[in-house]
Amino acid sequence: NAGVTQTPKFQVLKTGQSMTLQCAQDMNHNSMYWYRQDPGMGLRLIYYSASEGTTDKGEVPNGYNVSRLNKREFSLRLESAAPSQTSVYFCASNLGVTDTQYFGPGTRLTVL
Amino acid sequence: LAKTTQPISMDSYEGQEVNITCSHNNIATNDYITWYQQFPSQGPRFIIQGYKTKVTNEVASLFIPADRKSSTLSLPRVSLSDTAVYYCLVGDTGSGGYQKVTFGTGTKLQVIP
Repeated sequence: NAGVTQTPKFQVLKTGQSMTLQCAQDMNHNSMYWYRQDPGMGLRLIYYSASEGTTDKGEVPNGYNVSRLNKREFSLRLESAAPSQTSVYFCASNLGVTDTQYFGPGTRLTVL
Repeated sequence: LAKTTQPISMDSYEGQEVNITCSHNNIATNDYITWYQQFPSQGPRFIIQGYKTKVTNEVASLFIPADRKSSTLSLPRVSLSDTAVYYCLVGDTGSGGYQKVTFGTGTKLQVIP
């Protein structure tokens, strides 16, 4: 039982490049989330998926898109990366939106 | 959303009890209080959650006074491995869900040998 896994662990992009961050969970959870954490700051919610087939914006959705591929997987896409998107990205999941969240190890993204 | 205020940082010696207080003056009736722990280069990890009075688990205790305008996370006999950032979250996680809860900047606890 791996919990929540994220790939890649590290990524460096140039301004304007695109990439997709992958997240998968093996706990049969219904809800999944993407957060970003800037240095010395708390986590801010980008998008979430309360259940398979639904996605909703969080606090800071601009510049991102998401796809709930199936119950296990929730991806985050940056279409045209900007230096302001340099951050650590965390994926989380829970059985339902009111249940305890479990977080992945994070992806450290640098945009030059 | 209820705004929370925590100390930015705290130092403690190994073996001591550590109490981290969080202020949340505008907590709503349906709001729960949740604490997370985050080690460097890791995602946050749930520690404890409560609504009122006292909650205890194998890791920590959470004290909530009757007016619920503050809460205190108590870590008994800390060790070096308890060095982490501790976040206090307040929100309607019981019915609204965790998507409605925001993380503040947290309290950075440094345990000293």
